Amino acid sequence: RKEVEQDPGPFNVPEGATVAFNCTYSNSASQSFFWYRQDCRKEPKLLMSVYSSGNEDGRFTAQLNRASQYISLLIRDSKLSDSATYLCVVNQAGTALIFGKGTTLSVSS
Amino acid sequence: NAGVTQTPKFQVLKTGQSMTLQCAQDMNHNSMYWYRQDPGMGLRLIYYSASEGTTDKGEVPNGYNVSRLNKREFSLRLESAAPSQTSVYFCASSGDRFVDTEAFFGQGTRLTVV
Repeated sequence: RKEVEQDPGPFNVPEGATVAFNCTYSNSASQSFFWYRQDCRKEPKLLMSVYSSGNEDGRFTAQLNRASQYISLLIRDSKLSDSATYLCVVNQAGTALIFGKGTTLSVSS
Repeated sequence: NAGVTQTPKFQVLKTGQSMTLQCAQDMNHNSMYWYRQDPGMGLRLIYYSASEGTTDKGEVPNGYNVSRLNKREFSLRLESAAPSQTSVYFCASSGDRFVDTEAFFGQGTRLTVV
């Protein structure tokens, strides 16, 4: 079983839609969780960290469920510029960042 | 602000040739990483270095060697390139703690082995 699993999509949504991505991780010792964004042929960049209490940054909301080992990202009022691949990332203390394969989002007008 | 700098950006090798991918960061980070990214496979960890003088294998280390030359630099070497090593390679670094720190990536090296 892959350590971090995501639905690859693609998710094709119209502008203004709300879309949610899910991610599961296998190692219960994981300590830190992130969502990264990657544009085509570019390097990944941090979108937001994910905290146990849930956190929001503008149109983006991240949730963590440690009991179910599940992370989510909600994007409200989608923009064309949100089109990208979203990577779920897990960090285990003493090791490196482990990436999911990514979920592709395409927002159309 | 240079951040993480990788060289070269593009490279074509013949099977059996060797080369070293260079990576340097100017953020005084302790941790550095090498990933490869292939279509449909996501980012896979090759090697990482928690601090100067230490290196550890990741998910796909076979065919690669690394050197943490100093705190700033972490190089990846292909001793005898194979077509299966055709990929995009990303170097990254992160802060003093493994937990809850952002990783910054270089722009990537697009390597083709023919």
